[in-house]
Amino acid sequence: AQSVTQPDIHITVSEGASLELRCNYSYGATPYLFWYVQSPGQGLQLLLKYFSGDTLVQGIKGFEAEFKRSQSSFNLRKPSVHWSDAAEYFCAVGDRADKLIFGTGTRLQVFP
Amino acid sequence: NAGVTQTPKFQVLKTGQSMTLQCAQDMNHNSMYWYRQDPGMGLRLIYYSASEGTTDKGEVPNGYNVSRLNKREFSLRLESAAPSQTSVYFCASIPGGTLYEQYFGPGTRLTVT
Repeated sequence: AQSVTQPDIHITVSEGASLELRCNYSYGATPYLFWYVQSPGQGLQLLLKYFSGDTLVQGIKGFEAEFKRSQSSFNLRKPSVHWSDAAEYFCAVGDRADKLIFGTGTRLQVFP
Repeated sequence: NAGVTQTPKFQVLKTGQSMTLQCAQDMNHNSMYWYRQDPGMGLRLIYYSASEGTTDKGEVPNGYNVSRLNKREFSLRLESAAPSQTSVYFCASIPGGTLYEQYFGPGTRLTVT
């Protein structure tokens, strides 16, 4: 069965520190992969996506993610976190971009 | 463009009451979706509409009905609300086909007492 796992429910980092949010998936073929961010009280906003090609993808707000087929992972990274990055982050996978399975989310807290 | 809009933003219902959540998009998108978001469970697909005039069940359709009124609007109806339907509901849309991201509305927070 298709599934997405975000192992970290809650992560706390200091402002300026680096960040890595983990995402692992179980899928039969190469999936379409997404990271979304949700600020409090808001809808979801796309950070970045991977469909094919270069396995390191750049997104908005200075985020990047790397697709590792051998590890079935699509981890999200940012070299230096800003206080405004505090939000909930969702990884999503699908075999078509219109049918997605979402992970349970990772809540990021940023301390000054 | 307003993007994807949802009404109402908040709603409190008593068990057994009915209501309709409204969603509209002004991006001329073909496909529209309804999700529910519950703590610790991410987003789960309730229903979707691949194009005007078609609807299909998602992962958690029980207790809900939908109507794709036209290309712009996709409504979600709770005929007899239950406390288990307390959730945040999101509508989303995409232009159609593959290789597109989903655009989300701001959500409706529903509480059923």
